[in-house]
Amino acid sequence: QKEVEQNSGPLSVPEGAIASLNCTYSDRGSQSFFWYRQYSGKSPELIMFIYSNGDKEDGRFTAQLNKASQYVSLLIRDSQPSDSATYLCAPSGGSYIPTFGRGTSLIVHP
Amino acid sequence: DVKVTQSSRYLVKRTGEKVFLECVQDMDHENMFWYRQDPGLGLRLIYFSYDVKMKEKGDIPEGYSVSREKKERFSLILESASTNQTSMYLCASKRSFGANYGYTFGSGTRLTVV
Repeated sequence: QKEVEQNSGPLSVPEGAIASLNCTYSDRGSQSFFWYRQYSGKSPELIMFIYSNGDKEDGRFTAQLNKASQYVSLLIRDSQPSDSATYLCAPSGGSYIPTFGRGTSLIVHP
Repeated sequence: DVKVTQSSRYLVKRTGEKVFLECVQDMDHENMFWYRQDPGLGLRLIYFSYDVKMKEKGDIPEGYSVSREKKERFSLILESASTNQTSMYLCASKRSFGANYGYTFGSGTRLTVV
């Protein structure tokens, strides 16, 4: 089973700043990753998918994957209060057994 | 859009009752999952199924069973509900092929056992 580690936070950033969320993993076989956002009381929703080393950008969100160092990160530029949520990372593909990190709570304060 | 529908948003049951949580997906996904989510513990996998009538234990199967008689429906059963099963239960589905297809979650069932 894959192990995925995230700092639970909370990570508190001011509005307009860059929020950096990190995830490390132990299974070198993990080739691609998802990032999910979960608002309080809601279910997780998929926001990003990354499968190759380097950066993938989607609007204010940038996912970064470094397979050599076994970490994946999510940067949120120009953070907004509406970005306040818990962010979960999860590997994709390979084993049927999906493992999610425990998630990092992000608070964006005005 | 894929939809994963959970039958109840909130449920209150008594200790010892048999509880059924239903989940239906409408996009012909092979894989379906049941998680519970508790504060500080994240998502924990209870059971999953990769085909009709097939099931695999996850990390915390004790006290639960599942049923998948049809591809679109995956049921979670609490044989004899206990207070430590009070939690948010999330169902998810996923295609078998295509690593870029993520899990789609239902809206969750908040179960309280009294």
